[in-house]
Amino acid sequence: EAGVTQSPTHLIKTRGQQVTLRCSPISGHTSVYWYQQALGLGLQFLLWYDEGEERNRGNFPPRFSGRQFPNYSSELNVNALELEDSALYLCASSYSGTESRSGYTFGSGTRLTVV
Amino acid sequence: TQLLEQSPQFLSIQEGENLTVYCNSSSVFSSLQWYRQEPGEGPVLLVTVVTGGEVKKLKRLTFQFGDARKDSSLHITAAQPGDTGLYLCAAYMEYGNKLVFGAGTILRVKS
Repeated sequence: EAGVTQSPTHLIKTRGQQVTLRCSPISGHTSVYWYQQALGLGLQFLLWYDEGEERNRGNFPPRFSGRQFPNYSSELNVNALELEDSALYLCASSYSGTESRSGYTFGSGTRLTVV
Repeated sequence: TQLLEQSPQFLSIQEGENLTVYCNSSSVFSSLQWYRQEPGEGPVLLVTVVTGGEVKKLKRLTFQFGDARKDSSLHITAAQPGDTGLYLCAAYMEYGNKLVFGAGTILRVKS
């Protein structure tokens, strides 16, 4: 069984640009979660999608957005990139929103560097 | 301030030593999880504990959930270089259905 896959693995962008990150969940999983892992800050919750709808978002500005497609894959978009957006962006999936208490399966992440 | 406080932040030990990592909070949680993350990879779930006082063992790793469900510990016996990594605790928040993570403990085991 394929795990959670994320693309691209690495990305370098210039301040002010826009970026799109992609995530494919494990087959059968309907919930997708996005986290930001900046150096020294741990994992910060960004967004939760389930059944195509945004169910919850963390304390991030509106320039962080995303969507979930009918096949449950997801995109994370970040507009007007700032230097502090440099981080590892992790996607995780679960069978349904109620499975969060049992833990997530994470992808390997996308390393975004903003220069 | 972090909802989950992990200590120590960094630990460097020799192969064969024992160690304990702590995860503390003033809040009560319905479940708590431990993950291990290696460089360039996403976190991998090690265990989920749900009952106060619960103890779970995974080979040389022993996980304990505090009686009041506010804290947890991870004990590693006879650490090996393969145990090197970032250990993260995460608590399930029913409001918003999300996991909240501690900042992590970086463990380095030298051979």
